Amino acid sequence: AQSVTQLGSHVSVSEGALVLLRCNYSSSVPPYLFWYVQYPNQGLQLLLKYTTGATLVKGINGFEAEFKKSETSFHLTKPSAHMSDAAEYFCAVSKAAGNKLTFGGGTRVLVKP
Amino acid sequence: GAVVSQHPSRVICKSGTSVKIECRSLDFQATTMFWYRQFPKQSLMLMATSNEGSKATYEQGVEKDKFLINHASLTLSTLTVTSAHPEDSSFYICSAMGPNTEAFFGQGTRLTVV
Repeated sequence: AQSVTQLGSHVSVSEGALVLLRCNYSSSVPPYLFWYVQYPNQGLQLLLKYTTGATLVKGINGFEAEFKKSETSFHLTKPSAHMSDAAEYFCAVSKAAGNKLTFGGGTRVLVKP
Repeated sequence: GAVVSQHPSRVICKSGTSVKIECRSLDFQATTMFWYRQFPKQSLMLMATSNEGSKATYEQGVEKDKFLINHASLTLSTLTVTSAHPEDSSFYICSAMGPNTEAFFGQGTRLTVV
């Protein structure tokens, strides 16, 4: 079975500061990894994904994540937080393309002016 | 990116009645659709997976007779919450996936049972 752990249910950052959201996974097969963002009362929007190839993945809105197999991690970063980054972020894993996603518990990001 | 439309966005119903939620893929053929439930301040819990033309596969603990899923076409799946009760109040989200696409999510439906 696959699982995802997001360390920290809440993260507070100042506008302009680094955003770091942690995600660790367990998977019996090479994983497909995803980060999604959810704004209040809305669905999920894909930020970025890792399937194969380059381990540093760049996504939308200035976010990027690095797949580290040895650490079973896929942490999400953004160099400079913007007020519009305030949202809930979910890390997810699947076994392959077309397979169901298993989500982490989510991390709520608060951006302080 | 691809668009998945979920309707309604909000619904309030009386206890004992049934509610239908629609999920449509607008610009691609969704061979697989997923239905999730999300409680306040919690993550998404997969309820069921449906493939077009087949019966849905429900996750453990999800009552298939209570949460009826139909995926009759490549662009539409429906979730019907039958005989709804207050404990069914939640945020329901669908996602749709094509043969070679990632999963795209609907906007979600806030169900309140009174």
